[in-house]
Amino acid sequence: GAVVSQHPSWVICKSGTSVKIECRSLDFQATTMFWYRQFPKQSLMLMATSNEGSKATYEQGVEKDKFLINHASLTLSTLTVTSAHPEDSSFYICSASAGVSPEAFFGQGTRLTVV
Amino acid sequence: DQQVKQNSPSLSVQEGRISILNCDYTNSMFDYFLWYKKYPAEGPTFLISISSIKDKNEDGRFTVFLNKSAKHLSLHIVPSQPGDSAVYFCAGTGGSNYKLTFGKGTLLTVNP
Repeated sequence: GAVVSQHPSWVICKSGTSVKIECRSLDFQATTMFWYRQFPKQSLMLMATSNEGSKATYEQGVEKDKFLINHASLTLSTLTVTSAHPEDSSFYICSASAGVSPEAFFGQGTRLTVV
Repeated sequence: DQQVKQNSPSLSVQEGRISILNCDYTNSMFDYFLWYKKYPAEGPTFLISISSIKDKNEDGRFTVFLNKSAKHLSLHIVPSQPGDSAVYFCAGTGGSNYKLTFGKGTLLTVNP
């Protein structure tokens, strides 16, 4: 399968600071990237869909000013958690799709802990 | 409203036997279904998929069955191996943006 790399795999930050998570498709061009959040023992909840060169589409209830998504190239999307709070602590996962079939390939995930 | 339901949070089987993981959906617009496998603290790994125009898709030890009238699909793993122990997520999608809607997952444990 295609390779998607997500970085960092874990990060600890202080309340009020911002954290950037990168998602790269290594061997294909990702026209669409998706950002998910997973709480313990819960499903993957879609946060937003980003298409290269356009603004991200956020799911209902997701604050777009808090979770900034940039998809500047066909191989890179970033999620920035701004002014992080402890309740933002979660497992964030990206996936990338070449747009020719529904199969999306996931990054390794990022464990964010806000202290 | 949960559009994709995996009603069994966990399943335990013996090595060599068949594992059957079930998934129900409510969204009639879904036309493609996928199964992913996930280990703790890792991203999901794509396993197998099926289009709504088919009722079966097989890939090695993995077979997915789709019953559209019942809005039900299942993943069969045979023979099950200890390395198959993981959380399995079912997902549905429909439309051109390929947004996936996931179930809550089923934890499969294959005992040696």
